Amino acid sequence: QSALTQPASVSGSPGQSITISCTGSSSDVGTYNYVSWYQQYPGKAPKLMIYDVSKRPSGVSNRFSGSKSGNTASLTISGLQAEDEADYYCTSYTSSSTFGIFGGGTKLTVL
Amino acid sequence: QLQLQESGPGLVKPSETLSLTCTVSGGSISSSSYYWGWIRQPPGKGLEWIGSIYYSGSTYYNPSLKSRVTISVDTSKNQFSLKLSSVTAADTAVYFCARVGRVDDSSGYYYDYWGQGTLVTVSS
Repeated sequence: QSALTQPASVSGSPGQSITISCTGSSSDVGTYNYVSWYQQYPGKAPKLMIYDVSKRPSGVSNRFSGSKSGNTASLTISGLQAEDEADYYCTSYTSSSTFGIFGGGTKLTVL
Repeated sequence: QLQLQESGPGLVKPSETLSLTCTVSGGSISSSSYYWGWIRQPPGKGLEWIGSIYYSGSTYYNPSLKSRVTISVDTSKNQFSLKLSSVTAADTAVYFCARVGRVDDSSGYYYDYWGQGTLVTVSS
């Protein structure tokens, strides 16, 4: 099973919006609405930020939103803040794995 | 508050077996609502799912690691364990244990609680 494809890095200035893409295939992102996004700070465990493509767990800022079009899912962070600087990973359920696959991760830099 | 804690040797020799245990506190590993999983992250790299287990003992493994992985559960100790055999330097990583559950009644299954992770280095 191949990992989902994410850009290695994205950057933005405080207050701006950024979008991170996550490209899969018809075997995962394109067929199933079980896409999630995790935020990870250095040396820490990942934290669930978005699930079921666009839902936010309790306590997650509404500046974080998710969407999907075809085989590509996206995470958008609006009103960028310094504390958003972290690594972000997408995951998706796949037809070949109940527990899904991870994207390669994207490093977000807040300029 | 649910907590997960990984434990085990931080250094393993090449060709030997890596063994880690995840102790769950603040909740029961025997709950029918959850699965329990192992995920690893090589230094400076991304996350990789290793495998998962249900309290009944049903297991699910990453096909790329399946021949070397064994995950087991001990409900009496509220623990689940990972064994990875014939390790090489490529298995050097931070190993996380995590709970897999539904966020709401209709959602898919996601990693909602994580341990802090433990670094395992494979070296002679």
